Amino acid sequence: GAGVSQSPSNKVTEKGKDVELRCDPISGHTALYWYRQSLGQGLEFLIYFQGNSAPDKSGLPSDRFSAERTGGSVSTLTIQRTQQEDSAVYLCASSHLVTSSTGELFFGEGSRLTVL
Amino acid sequence: AQSVTQPDIHITVSEGASLELRCNYSYGATPYLFWYVQSPGQGLQLLLKYFSGDTLVQGIKGFEAEFKRSQSSFNLRKPSVHWSDAAEYFCAVAYFGAGSYQLTFGKGTKLSVIP
Repeated sequence: GAGVSQSPSNKVTEKGKDVELRCDPISGHTALYWYRQSLGQGLEFLIYFQGNSAPDKSGLPSDRFSAERTGGSVSTLTIQRTQQEDSAVYLCASSHLVTSSTGELFFGEGSRLTVL
Repeated sequence: AQSVTQPDIHITVSEGASLELRCNYSYGATPYLFWYVQSPGQGLQLLLKYFSGDTLVQGIKGFEAEFKRSQSSFNLRKPSVHWSDAAEYFCAVAYFGAGSYQLTFGKGTKLSVIP
């Protein structure tokens, strides 16, 4: 597709269950990002993938969170043993390799996670 | 560490009035700066960006922003607001780390427009 695609758009789960969120980036973009948006908290960086390089996982809040990117394209964010504080909108973004004239991120519409 | 401050959580303006949204950043090098807009239930859309050169940058939907290094600011402006501009606006600064690149966002300013 033309834009970043995320699924599911909405997910309701029970506390303690695992969830998987999927992101399909813009074709040709080498970089992929996950952010978390909580009410009134802005956007919190979670993880960054660039090509075949080791990802920057410095923003993952706990070891319950993990992400992978297969074949340099689609990414899955997994949250294990979900807690109520994990409720948020999870935004995926992609970009070209950053140069002196590029560097903007293109965002998907997000996956809204509600943990009951 | 890099950071972005948007001092105004919520702003209300009348349709047709001018608008200025404030953004201050902290970053140790020459910044790449961005403004994004988010409508309810939508992802973020880029309004404009500053990388270098002319400090007054033009964006989409009639928005502009001015980079002022001395004030560490990148304020967003629009001369005449339309009802469709009601949304949340995020300022961001790019961070270049070892093998990493990310945008650090402010907490956003929600804009309401009165008819």
